[in-house]
Amino acid sequence: KNQVEQSPQSLIILEGKNCTLQCNYTVSPFSNLRWYKQDTGRGPVSLTIMTFSENTKSNGRYTATLDADTKQSSLHITASQLSDSASYICVVSAFSGGYNKLIFGAGTRLAVHP
Amino acid sequence: GAVVSQHPSWVICKSGTSVKIECRSLDFQATTMFWYRQFPKQSLMLMATSNEGSKATYEQGVEKDKFLINHASLTLSTLTVTSAHPEDSSFYICSASADRRTPWRSEQYFGPGTRLTVT
Repeated sequence: KNQVEQSPQSLIILEGKNCTLQCNYTVSPFSNLRWYKQDTGRGPVSLTIMTFSENTKSNGRYTATLDADTKQSSLHITASQLSDSASYICVVSAFSGGYNKLIFGAGTRLAVHP
Repeated sequence: GAVVSQHPSWVICKSGTSVKIECRSLDFQATTMFWYRQFPKQSLMLMATSNEGSKATYEQGVEKDKFLINHASLTLSTLTVTSAHPEDSSFYICSASADRRTPWRSEQYFGPGTRLTVT
């Protein structure tokens, strides 16, 4: 069964600190992996999209890594800001039920405190 | 960047009535649009995929007669929740892709969501 699992479920850090969010997936065949940021009550906003051949991709203070062999990805946030408080969702593009679609993880809820 | 809007942003309706939610791509042509629902503290669940000018493809377990989807133009898709019940209360989010052939590979742009409460 195609699944995307994220850890931790929630995380609290102090402003200015770094953090790393994890994503493990059991999806085959794999097309791409995406990280989204979702503020409460809003739609997701794309941070990165990574294909099979990409190991790392950055978007400002966000850096995503991908290990296609172990089927693991991480999202590293550097020098966190209060505005980083949100849910971070790992999404894998997969072939399921006869066609391709996005498989969403449950997300990691990040709270950045002053 | 590409912008997707939804209207209304929130709606309260009585049980048994129907509610229409609009999803618009403001600055690009969306050949494929997706509708999701999200319950509190849960992730997004795909309800259906719609291509402009053709019938929507519904996910298993989603009632097509209850959740009517129309994608009549390249910039507008609508989701109508018919005979709404309290269990239909949820956060409904649409997304749009300009790639008809391989939308799962290209960027999807999400709308801000619509909060539906059925009393």
